[in-house]
Amino acid sequence: NAGVTQTPKFRVLKTGQSMTLLCAQDMNHEYMYWYRQDPGMGLRLIHYSVGEGTTAKGEVPDGYNVSRLKKQNFLLGLESAAPSQTSVYFCASSYLPGTSGRAGELFFGEGSRLTVL
Amino acid sequence: GQSLEQPSEVTAVEGAIVQINCTYQTSGFYGLSWYQQHDGGAPTFLSYNALDGLEETGRFSSFLSRSDSYGYLLLQELQMKDSASYFCALTASGGSYIPTFGRGTSLIVHP
Repeated sequence: NAGVTQTPKFRVLKTGQSMTLLCAQDMNHEYMYWYRQDPGMGLRLIHYSVGEGTTAKGEVPDGYNVSRLKKQNFLLGLESAAPSQTSVYFCASSYLPGTSGRAGELFFGEGSRLTVL
Repeated sequence: GQSLEQPSEVTAVEGAIVQINCTYQTSGFYGLSWYQQHDGGAPTFLSYNALDGLEETGRFSSFLSRSDSYGYLLLQELQMKDSASYFCALTASGGSYIPTFGRGTSLIVHP
């Protein structure tokens, strides 16, 4: 019972390099999210998706792009990494509220720790 | 927009009861959630209040008062393993259903 799986779990980049974080969920959830977590800042929403083929900006979208080509996958891309993007990135997924599952419940992956030098 | 305020740190002793408060400002929301996160781990869902009042789940209870723009998480019979960060989150209304998280409260449980 995998739930939400993120790859890679750790990555070190140099400034200007690009990379993609992959999130996969096996719960047939409609909604998927990418958050970043920095000390003292809580979880801040980068981008989210309400279904296959859809994406939308969250609170801190600059410097990131996303794609949701398949319902179970949500990719987060950094085109030109900057030291300010050093963070822990969490992917999450949820049911469409009101349809099934516990309302308000997000299922999180274990996080991807990114360092940009 | 939405904003949530939580204390940055709360300390308590094993066996005690502790309350973690969450005040918020919003133009509308469906409910208030609570999550627990241990160091280095993923946030995990604890509870959700859509209506005013108390929701109880074992040693944890959560309360919401929409008229006071306030909620809290109550942890009873504290155990050392309860030492973690706790986040409140508002699920936005208006069709987006997107949660906004507070900055989190670090709970330290002493023996």
